[in-house]
Amino acid sequence: DSGVTQTPKHLITATGQRVTLRCSPRSGDLSVYWYQQSLDQGLQFLIQYYNGEERAKGNILERFSAQQFPDLHSELNLSSLELGDSALYFCASSVEVGNTEAFFGQGTRLTVV
Amino acid sequence: GDSVTQMEGPVTLSEEAFLTINCTYTATGYPSLFWYVQYPGEGLQLLLKATKADDKGSNKGFEATYRKETTSFHLEKGSVQVSDSAVYFCALSDPQAGTALIFGKGTTLSVSS
Repeated sequence: DSGVTQTPKHLITATGQRVTLRCSPRSGDLSVYWYQQSLDQGLQFLIQYYNGEERAKGNILERFSAQQFPDLHSELNLSSLELGDSALYFCASSVEVGNTEAFFGQGTRLTVV
Repeated sequence: GDSVTQMEGPVTLSEEAFLTINCTYTATGYPSLFWYVQYPGEGLQLLLKATKADDKGSNKGFEATYRKETTSFHLEKGSVQVSDSAVYFCALSDPQAGTALIFGKGTTLSVSS
């Protein structure tokens, strides 16, 4: 158990809908990362937060947004969903930004039908 | 921008064979380098890391050396076991350059007895 909790584990929704994925980081970790893992694209970095502030942005679509709350949990919002958004979404956390170990949650498997 | 390139898989080996998984990187600054492993149905776990040139990371019989001159961080193990079957990801982080933790596409290793 990495200490990072993601909910829900599985999500099935229709095209055009909006979903929210939730991540609770390890106790004491200030940095949260979101990744999308699909068979053809591999592990794509979406966005990183540190202590509530956006720190780095990757290949995150405009239809997607995220935030980190004062209690340090984070949410990833995916809207106007398309079939191609079906993937495994991982959250990771670390104590700080940089050359420290990141701990990954078990992921949320999103299926868009 | 910064990027990581890994050898394409899958890699199929017999037990006790020697393993090399190649990883090269492109970075504008001085990144830290990592190898993560993902077992079936799980999130990623840190396998080893190196934070500066010529550092060698090692764990569970795996090793990788940070080679700045060749911008490489190849993963090696002298004698693989069936339990090493997993997906291996090379990654870099360079917060000074604004780069969060980004990953290569992953290499699937399958070890048979």
